[in-house]
Amino acid sequence: DQQVKQNSPSLSVQEGRISILNCDYTNSMFDYFLWYKKYPAEGPTFLISISSIKDKNEDGRFTVFLNKSAKHLSLHIVPSQPGDSAVYFCAASETSGSRLTFGEGTQLTVNP
Amino acid sequence: NAGVTQTPKFRILKIGQSMTLQCTQDMNHNYMYWYRQDPGMGLKLIYYSVGAGITDKGEVPNGYNVSRSTTEDFPLRLELAAPSQTSVYFCASSYLVLAGKEFFGPGTRLTVL
Repeated sequence: DQQVKQNSPSLSVQEGRISILNCDYTNSMFDYFLWYKKYPAEGPTFLISISSIKDKNEDGRFTVFLNKSAKHLSLHIVPSQPGDSAVYFCAASETSGSRLTFGEGTQLTVNP
Repeated sequence: NAGVTQTPKFRILKIGQSMTLQCTQDMNHNYMYWYRQDPGMGLKLIYYSVGAGITDKGEVPNGYNVSRSTTEDFPLRLELAAPSQTSVYFCASSYLVLAGKEFFGPGTRLTVL
């Protein structure tokens, strides 16, 4: 039972354009959502998070949007840079301190 | 600081063999975790520890054992390896039980044939 799904295994965008990565979840108890970035041969690193009391959180070029009624979140990267090329995982938990459920990941490629 | 280190980086096992995946952190973190990532899937929690001497099961603990005799080390033991344990294993540590505060190691890619 995949409670967090990233339906796009890969995404390719041009440098300078917007990258939009999507994530859907089914568990209505999820209250805290995160995005992680992973480069090859490295472990995941935390990128940005959002709690269910907000619908948007920004950190520089990265913005996460949450639509609770649709059980959908997205990560926007503007402008995209070649160094953003990585696998992006979304994750969710019932509280900020509880166990994470990860999506399958989306490979983002930003072309120069 | 080296952060979280894992050894080995790669390993091929035969069915029925055993091995220990090593994980060490030098950040004096109390919380440590083992995850596995199967091809095309998200990370799943195997075991975690809240401090030396204390461990608990995660989502997918079957076929694995852990110990935490020191703050720094959190080895993962595979007994009787099976092809279903072919995966990439990530160790992580954190100073808070707060999602997003974890430091992950680079992973161990394990193949069981």
